[in-house]
Amino acid sequence: GNSVTQMEGPVTLSEEAFLTINCTYTATGYPSLFWYVQYPGEGLQLLLKATKADDKGSNKGFEATYRKETTSFHLEKGSVQVSDSAVYFCALRKTGGFKTIFGAGTRLFVKA
Amino acid sequence: DADVTQTPRNRITKTGKRIMLECSQTKGHDRMYWYRQDPGLGLRLIYYSFDVKDINKGEISDGYSVSRQAQAKFSLSLESAIPNQTALYFCATSDYSGTGVYEQYFGPGTRLTVT
Repeated sequence: GNSVTQMEGPVTLSEEAFLTINCTYTATGYPSLFWYVQYPGEGLQLLLKATKADDKGSNKGFEATYRKETTSFHLEKGSVQVSDSAVYFCALRKTGGFKTIFGAGTRLFVKA
Repeated sequence: DADVTQTPRNRITKTGKRIMLECSQTKGHDRMYWYRQDPGLGLRLIYYSFDVKDINKGEISDGYSVSRQAQAKFSLSLESAIPNQTALYFCATSDYSGTGVYEQYFGPGTRLTVT
């Protein structure tokens, strides 16, 4: 079946450090891939998405590239800020489908 | 005002009690969902509804029921709460984004503790 695996947290970085959160997936066909962010006390917000192989999703300085050959969608940011502290979820959904499969989430702490 | 609201935000209840969590949305979306979030497990789908007359079980529906009172309202009930239903519950809505991908919008969550 479809599944998403992401690196365990927490990840602790200093401000302005480079961030990578790994995400790999298992799916039949060609799913769409997503990163959601959950700030403390809030619901999930869509951060970025990619709908086909080699697409790059980007938003707020975050990027992720849909790599079909490695079934990966790693999240990166060149210089994190304290305000980026949150839980990040990788997710997939079959294109045109409605069921979203979420990874377990990775908590990021950024220190000033 | 938030597009997707949930009430209550926090609730502590005792084993065996009936409890209802409510969700309202102003986005005009037809599709609504209930998820639960447990540490280390991500979000898991409990129930989903495509419109007022269409309600479907998700992957973990046992012990839960739902009611879609209107397009904008979707309630989740625990008929007889048990401690392993202690979790963070999220309501979400979705509509077609025009790119073949459905965008989902989440409420702020309800933290439920069953003692």
